[in-house]
Amino acid sequence: AQSVSQHNHHVILSEAASLELGCNYSYGGTVNLFWYVQYPGQHLQLLLKYFSGDPLVKGIKGFEAEFIKSKFSFNLRKPSVQWSDTAEYFCPDKLIFGTGTRLQVFP
Amino acid sequence: SAVISQKPSRDICQRGTSLTIQCQVDSQVTMMFWYRQQPGQSLTLIATANQGSEATYESGFVIDKFPISRPNLTFSTLTVSNMSPEDSSIYLCSARAGQGNTIYFGEGSWLTVV
Repeated sequence: AQSVSQHNHHVILSEAASLELGCNYSYGGTVNLFWYVQYPGQHLQLLLKYFSGDPLVKGIKGFEAEFIKSKFSFNLRKPSVQWSDTAEYFCPDKLIFGTGTRLQVFP
Repeated sequence: SAVISQKPSRDICQRGTSLTIQCQVDSQVTMMFWYRQQPGQSLTLIATANQGSEATYESGFVIDKFPISRPNLTFSTLTVSNMSPEDSSIYLCSARAGQGNTIYFGEGSWLTVV
């Protein structure tokens, strides 16, 4: 069975810096990978998802993630972050969301 | 995709009372779930709401405290019973829909127990 783990708990960046948040999975058959975002005071939103096809997935707000089977990774990327990207980011393991990654972007 | 509506969106409740949260999905879905997000914490899965049968609860959550109904494929309710200040939290309804078992979330019900 697939299991997923995030390994960045708190990331602090300046605006315009590039972002990469790590998400690793242990492949066990069908791959269903997601990134969600929760902006301060708001509910969870789906950023992007991958389950087949083009391994480079583009999501909302300029985010993308690449499924790299050889590295068992599905890292979230954005070339230039904005202050408004400050949020919690989750790469869930099926129904389990874990502690996520807190991203703080400073102007 | 699925659009999920919850109500109430916010409420302030008295200690010892119970509150029922309603969740409506805009399409028929097989799987619905309830989560809790306490202040400053991540999401914790409470239970899976099964249509036509009793909900499946996660460790630490019991039916007496969090009774759940799922009368059909588009609707579910979660009741928070005999509330205490420790139950102050956001309660989120979610559903699995579409390709890849994507989970969609409602906007949450923010409960404050005083």
